[in-house]
Amino acid sequence: SQTIHQWPATLVQPVGSPLSLECTVEGTSNPNLYWYRQAAGRGLQLLFYSVGIGQISSEVPQNLSASRPQDRQFILSSKKLLLSDSGFYLCAWDHSGLSGTQYFGPGTRLLVL
Amino acid sequence: SQKIEQNSEALNIQEGKTATLTCNYTNYSPAYLQWYRQDPGRGPVFLLLIRENEKEKRKERLKVTFDTTLKQSLFHITASQPADSATYLCALREDNYGQNFVFGPGTRLSVLP
Repeated sequence: SQTIHQWPATLVQPVGSPLSLECTVEGTSNPNLYWYRQAAGRGLQLLFYSVGIGQISSEVPQNLSASRPQDRQFILSSKKLLLSDSGFYLCAWDHSGLSGTQYFGPGTRLLVL
Repeated sequence: SQKIEQNSEALNIQEGKTATLTCNYTNYSPAYLQWYRQDPGRGPVFLLLIRENEKEKRKERLKVTFDTTLKQSLFHITASQPADSATYLCALREDNYGQNFVFGPGTRLSVLP
């Protein structure tokens, strides 16, 4: 069966520090991968998605970036965090086609102070 | 502009009653619509998917309807239980790729014993 992992689970970082969040998927190959951010009481905001290694599409211009160095690994990064980067970050995967379901990881709660 | 809205931020109902949650969208042409459940501090979990050519889908105590003329989906939980308390998200997708996968803000359901 497929599983999706994210780490760390929680993170407290000072403003201006770098960020690296990692997501890995097991039990499937060539998934589409997604990074979402969820602010408190808000819906999910799609940040990046990837349909293959090295292919990244950005939905929202910001100081975050994403990379996909391996088929089942997706990394969210920042060189300098802002206060507004605080939130709950979720990684998800699915397969192209009309199956439609996205599978989410457990999330990383980021607090920028 | 494009919008996806859920009828209320929070909904309280008595145990045993039917909960009805609403999802409305504007200026989208979804290929399908989905409902997810999200517990606090966790990632969303897929519940049901309904395609544009389907009127109704059922799964155990859950029922989803989809009216493309009204641009609305209704999500029903019959014989509700306190364990059904969670935030429910609707999401729509216009095609097979990530850039058109959009989530609503969610409705927080509380089932009171």
